Amino acid sequence: DAGITQSPRHKVTETGTPVTLRCHQTENHRYMYWYRQDPGHGLRLIHYSYGVKDTDKGEVSDGYSVSRSKTEDFLLTLESATSSQTSVYFCAISESKGQGAFSPDTQYFGPGTRLTVL
Amino acid sequence: GNSVTQMEGPVTLSEEAFLTINCTYTATGYPSLFWYVQYPGEGLQLLLKATKADDKGSNKGFEATYRKETTSFHLEKGSVQVSDSAVYFCALTLNYGGATNKLIFGTGTLLAVQP
Repeated sequence: DAGITQSPRHKVTETGTPVTLRCHQTENHRYMYWYRQDPGHGLRLIHYSYGVKDTDKGEVSDGYSVSRSKTEDFLLTLESATSSQTSVYFCAISESKGQGAFSPDTQYFGPGTRLTVL
Repeated sequence: GNSVTQMEGPVTLSEEAFLTINCTYTATGYPSLFWYVQYPGEGLQLLLKATKADDKGSNKGFEATYRKETTSFHLEKGSVQVSDSAVYFCALTLNYGGATNKLIFGTGTLLAVQP
């Protein structure tokens, strides 16, 4: 299994509160991604990172921010959570060169975080 | 724009039946194509991939062939097992390299295999 962990795995919060989700990798991959999974939509990209302190927006970035101060950690923050952000959030990693069991340019996913905003 | 369309589920089969899950795509350029599988309560796992036309990806008895002429990447398995019950996602990336390989997913197809 890819060395990707996400924390917390489950969280219930109230509308208007800030929430931070953490993705941690032990594979030293350069690229990291945050997706959300919703019924009828598959997975949609929120933000991604192509290096420490280098990030960019994805398809559904409104209401989210990210930070990457170390190669191994990629944080997703909801500044003021809303009910529409209730979802399952997945982190993924990739690297342009294959190494070991990892194919180049293929994304490998963490176990997910289920977030409920009441 | 770039998009992936896959058949809606759920697909319900008996054990040892033949499986096909259809996937078609629209893309500018030359995409790489993927099938990911999500077992209940878990994250997505790469099942197979193909990076150019006529390539066949295969893994765990599943196969898919990259068909440029029909813009398709249908998933097949000759004999499904109960343990194959999961959600299957078709996806593509455009080959710009690195982080710009943003995955574009289909909506997923739930497969339920009955004993």
